[in-house]
Amino acid sequence: ETGVTQTPRHLVMGMTNKKSLKCEQHLGHNAMYWYKQSAKKPLELMFVYNFKEQTENNSVPSRFSPECPNSSHLFLHLHTLQPEDSALYLCASSQRSRLASSTDTQYFGPGTRLTVL
Amino acid sequence: AQSVTQLGSHVSVSEGALVLLRCNYSSSVPPYLFWYVQYPNQGLQLLLKYTSAATLVKGINGFEAEFKKSETSFHLTKPSAHMSDAAEYFCAVASNTGKLIFGQGTTLQVKP
Repeated sequence: ETGVTQTPRHLVMGMTNKKSLKCEQHLGHNAMYWYKQSAKKPLELMFVYNFKEQTENNSVPSRFSPECPNSSHLFLHLHTLQPEDSALYLCASSQRSRLASSTDTQYFGPGTRLTVL
Repeated sequence: AQSVTQLGSHVSVSEGALVLLRCNYSSSVPPYLFWYVQYPNQGLQLLLKYTSAATLVKGINGFEAEFKKSETSFHLTKPSAHMSDAAEYFCAVASNTGKLIFGQGTTLQVKP
């Protein structure tokens, strides 16, 4: 596997279900990101992890719970979601120093298409 | 605070014609600017980025963009469109903490 992979690629869940999205990067990066992409809206940054520590939570509802066990893996745990949470969830990674750099290139995975019924 | 505006949510060109996708930015500090492309059912792929070196930046697949400070613009161009260029294109500006702020995106349609 190369680059950034995400599983599953498609997920349909009910509002009472609990599921998890998985992201893995094979680039040796130390920063990982979750984004939400909804129709007709700009990409929304949800969470940022740098060296396994969460450095940004963009006012995301608590029904989304991220987990970063190491620099290569990132999870997004989902529970009691709402239909408006249906979207494409994108994971990205970049090589960042502990002093954040504005020029870092983020590499994106293919996304998980989530549908909440 | 930084922001990005992409003018035109849909652009349609004929194959072989010039592609011009517009992006204007707002930034209180010297900006770092990016163009990403998203093909159907895929994630975003970096086309090119401006990091305060040359103002004309060349990217992949024949695309280039010119940084114009006086116009606060970073428009993306390609001299001759291919059918394979049909995709959604995103302009983004980086905050001073490395956070990317994306525009709404522009869907490029290429007609035969």
